[in-house]
Formats: sequence, structure tokens, C-alpha cells
Amino acid sequence: QVQLQESGPGLVKPSETLSLTCTVSGGSINSNYWSWIRQPPGKGLEWIGYVYYSGSTNYDPSLKSRVTISIDTSKNQFSLKLTSVTAADTAVYYCARDVPFHQWGQGTLVTVSS
Amino acid sequence: DIVMTQSPDSLVVSLGERATINCKSSQSVLYSSNSKSYLAWYQQKPGQPPKLLISWASTRESGVPDRFSGSGSGTDFTLTISSLQAEDVAVYSCQQYFSTPYTFGQGTKLEIK
Repeated sequence: QVQLQESGPGLVKPSETLSLTCTVSGGSINSNYWSWIRQPPGKGLEWIGYVYYSGSTNYDPSLKSRVTISIDTSKNQFSLKLTSVTAADTAVYYCARDVPFHQWGQGTLVTVSS
Repeated sequence: DIVMTQSPDSLVVSLGERATINCKSSQSVLYSSNSKSYLAWYQQKPGQPPKLLISWASTRESGVPDRFSGSGSGTDFTLTISSLQAEDVAVYSCQQYFSTPYTFGQGTKLEIK
């Protein structure tokens, strides 16, 4: 059974870059779509974007100018970078496999605050 | 973007009774070439990630109890729990994967009466 685990800083200062990594275990990352999804406190789910195993990407247009999702097949990991963060980027960030999202990581809360 | 709108926002149902949640998309998510609606339902319990219950509008995922069913096509969809159990207390969200950006409904909070 494939498992996903997010990792990265839980606190990021405004205007800085949020960086998270999702480690995939129990299976290969060399197939499928791999997404990042976030959920602001008390709110609904927002898809950020995905990376295909080949390296191609697709992002939500509202975040596209600030987002980069990349994949490292040698490490079985994929990553999220979100630049110029503000308080509005405070959320639980999830990584997920496939479309629709068959498997999810447990999520990691990232707070943007000085 | 396709806007997903759920109703109601919250629902209180007695144990053993039927729960019905609706989801409407701002444009059709039915792909004519394969006659499939690109619509999924998720269950999210407090402190947990969402769990995929149903894909293709009506296909239950492996291990999902058969009291959960999905129906609808095009722009109007329904998630039905035929006999509510205590463990079904959660927030339920629909999601379209017909086109990017993939979008979710705002969620429906289901509670026990």
C-alpha cells in the first residue's frame, strides 16, 4: 500500500518561500499524477497543482505565478515551493496520489506569520 | 473554472436514517466520448485527511460500505448514505476532475441528531 508523508517547516515568515516535500513509500513514484492540495483553517479544499511522473506540471492559475511543483524519482519524492507567502497561505497542506485523489498524506499545517 | 456548489452546508440526521447531500457543477462534467461524469466524493473526519469514497459519480472505492452511493450526471449529483451510522459523522465534499483547475465543493457537515 502506497503511503505519502509531507515534511517541511511549520512556520514561514510573510514574503518568504514555503517549501514542502512529499515522500512516497510502499510503491514507485514512476507513474500517476502527484498533487498538492491545501485547506485553510475551517475552510474547504483547494487544489494547488500536480506533477506527472514525467515531470510535466499543471497549476491552479490563481497560484501559478508563485508555485513550482517538482519531482525527484530517484528519491521517490515530489516537492512544493510557494513564493511570496502571506497570511492567506496559512493552511494544512496535503500531498495526494492520482486523479481523483485516491491517497493522501496526513497533512502538515503551515502557518505564515512573523 | 468549474464552480462546485453543495447543499446543504450542514445536515443533522438520526441514526439509521437516510442522509442526502447534493452537489451542482457550474458546467457539465460529463465527457461525451465515454459517457462518464468526472465527479468524486470525499469523506473527511476531524483531524484526518479526506478519504475518496466515490469516483466517476457512482463507483464506490474498494472497502467503502455499500450504504454509501452516488448518483447523477452532467451537472447534478447526489451522495446518499442509506442508513446513517455513528462513524459517518464527517464533512463530505464533492470534486470535479473534468478539467483543471480541479475544484471542490465547500463541504457539507453531517452530524447525528
